[in-house]
Amino acid sequence: GAVVSQHPSRVICKSGTSVKIECRSLDFQATTMFWYRQFPKQSLMLMATSNEGSKATYEQGVEKDKFLINHASLTLSTLTVTSAHPEDSSFYICSAKGNRGTDTQYFGPGTRLTVL
Amino acid sequence: GEDVEQSLFLSVREGDSSVINCTYTDSSSTYLYWYKQEPGAGLQLLTYIFSNMDMKQDQRLTVLLNKKDKHLSLRIADTQTGDSAIYFCAESISNNDMRFGAGTRLTVKP
Repeated sequence: GAVVSQHPSRVICKSGTSVKIECRSLDFQATTMFWYRQFPKQSLMLMATSNEGSKATYEQGVEKDKFLINHASLTLSTLTVTSAHPEDSSFYICSAKGNRGTDTQYFGPGTRLTVL
Repeated sequence: GEDVEQSLFLSVREGDSSVINCTYTDSSSTYLYWYKQEPGAGLQLLTYIFSNMDMKQDQRLTVLLNKKDKHLSLRIADTQTGDSAIYFCAESISNNDMRFGAGTRLTVKP
């Protein structure tokens, strides 16, 4: 159990376009979902935390108008990178925490975004 | 399947050594990582090991890699209460994409 999927796994887009990444908890209800950005050989950087039905909480330095997060249901959160630029190219990982009373986060497999 | 597997829980006494184990399945992994996550915080990269190494030591941390068995371990010497956290192992596959284990919750008892 506790499977989290992300779609797409890879995406290549042109500069200036917007890209939506989906994160789904497949077999549990995710009351909280997290979006991370990962740079090679560096720590994952937490971008934002979202709770179902409420606005996401963004970490300092993360532009909320650029990285739109929607957590519309207990099994789905989306991250939209608006007006993407090459510097947005990265590996984006979501994780989900259920309502089982533990802090365990279950991670998605990640999405590799390449902006040309 | 291609999974990274870890046991979910480990409990030790303060001052003892902790050993967290991980198995992975992708033999083409280039780097293997250990991340630490404290409550309410993002993941912190603790250490990583290149796949052509079999051991790496960094202060209280020792990473052992058995590539033949695809087994990775993290040993924390003289475990302290501040080490209580969730530890994730992860493998870096092609193009730096990463695959994570579910995390091991380490509880350190005084």
